[in-house]
Amino acid sequence: DAGITQSPRYKITETGRQVTLMCHQTWSHSYMFWYRQDLGHGLRLIYYSAAADITDKGEVPDGYVVSRSKTENFPLTLESATRSQTSVYFCASRPLGNYGYTFGSGTRLTVV
Amino acid sequence: RKEVEQDPGPFNVPEGATVAFNCTYSNSASQSFFWYRQDCRKEPKLLMSVYSSGNEDGRFTAQLNRASQYISLLIRDSKLSDSATYLCVVTTDSWGKFQFGAGTQVVVTP
Repeated sequence: DAGITQSPRYKITETGRQVTLMCHQTWSHSYMFWYRQDLGHGLRLIYYSAAADITDKGEVPDGYVVSRSKTENFPLTLESATRSQTSVYFCASRPLGNYGYTFGSGTRLTVV
Repeated sequence: RKEVEQDPGPFNVPEGATVAFNCTYSNSASQSFFWYRQDCRKEPKLLMSVYSSGNEDGRFTAQLNRASQYISLLIRDSKLSDSATYLCVVTTDSWGKFQFGAGTQVVVTP
């Protein structure tokens, strides 16, 4: 299916475990982004990527790792999950030019 | 000071009425502007881009005021389905990274 998909939709993990959130887009958009959304903070940028193998930190990157070996995939890894990383995570993509983002449907992560 | 600020609301609007709200941004070099809509912690969805000359899409009108550094959104003939949080978005760099406002909640009542 065309579009941007995130998996899993829901995830519960234990403190200290590594967890990877997947993001896949079928448009070959150059830019991809990871945001987290928490009550009281709105959407905060974690990492972004302008192309395969080009990534950079956003506003709240600590505790997260990203990679982008292929244009269509942009996984986000929590190296050692903490309770403060309980959040809703949104992946987004956009093409070159003055276009808005398209978001995935989000992953609701709970760290217990 | 936050880069993008919005009145959180809620704006309680009777069905059929008009509601308008603003968003201010701090960086005068901001390049692109958008309004997004978000329902109940679902993913934000693009509502409309905001152009310098202002633009309209059905019942929605967006305006940009660069001198005063704000954008606005006006909703005419409000529908119950317009109840949502409206996010103001500004980009300031060549990467096109979005700066999101915290959102304005609109509640349309029968």
